Amino acid sequence: AQKVTQAQTEISVVEKEDVTLDCVYETRDTTYYLFWYKQPPSGELVFLIRRNSFDEQNEISGRYSWNFQKSTSSFNFTITASQVVDSAVYFCALSEAFRTGSARQLTFGSGTQLTVLP
Amino acid sequence: DSGVTQTPKHLITATGQRVTLRCSPRSGDLSVYWYQQSLDQGLQFLIQYYNGEERAKGNILERFSAQQFPDLHSELNLSSLELGDSALYFCASSVGSGSTEQFFGPGTRLTVL
Repeated sequence: AQKVTQAQTEISVVEKEDVTLDCVYETRDTTYYLFWYKQPPSGELVFLIRRNSFDEQNEISGRYSWNFQKSTSSFNFTITASQVVDSAVYFCALSEAFRTGSARQLTFGSGTQLTVLP
Repeated sequence: DSGVTQTPKHLITATGQRVTLRCSPRSGDLSVYWYQQSLDQGLQFLIQYYNGEERAKGNILERFSAQQFPDLHSELNLSSLELGDSALYFCASSVGSGSTEQFFGPGTRLTVL
C-alpha cells in the first residue's frame, strides 16, 4: 500500500525567509510518480511538479526547488525568499506505476499549511 | 484554469437527502477521477471512470455512486447524506486511464446540515 507523510502540519515564516516542506513516502513499486500541489485559500488544487522515480535530479523553477532522495524516500519542497502569496496548503502526492488495466489515482499526504507573514 | 468544470460550486442540503455533483473533463480527456477532501480524512480518492467504464474504486461509501456518460461528463451521486459527508469534492481528468497528469476542477463544496 502507498502512503505519503507530511509531518509538518503548519509552518509560519516571515516574508523573504526560505522554507522547506517535507514529504516522505512509502511504496512497494520501483516505478512511481511524485507530485506537489498547492491549495490556496480559494480552494482549487494547483499542480506544481511531477517527478518520476527514475529521475533523482533536483529541479528548480524560479523560487521553487525540489529535492528528491530515493534513499530516504523523501521529496522535499523548498520555497526561496517566500512571499505572502505563497500562503497556502501544500500537498505531496504519490502515484503508482502504470500496469495494464490499472488506474493511477493519487495518494495524498495530509498537507502542510504554510503561512507567510508580511 | 485547468479546463475541468464542476457544478455546482456550493451545495447546502440536509441530512438524509440526495445530491448530484457534476463534472465535465477537459476536452479530449477520457478519464475522470473523483476525490473527497474532508477535515477528518484529508484528500482521498473515491472512484475513477475511463471512457464510460469504472476503472478503479477507492474509499467510496456504498451510499455514493458515480457514472460517466457518453459525452464523457461524470456525475457523483451522494445519497442518505450524513453530517460527515460535508466536504470539498474534486473532479480531475486525464487523457488516458494510466496518465500521470491529472487536472483538477475547482471543486464542489457540500455542506450537510
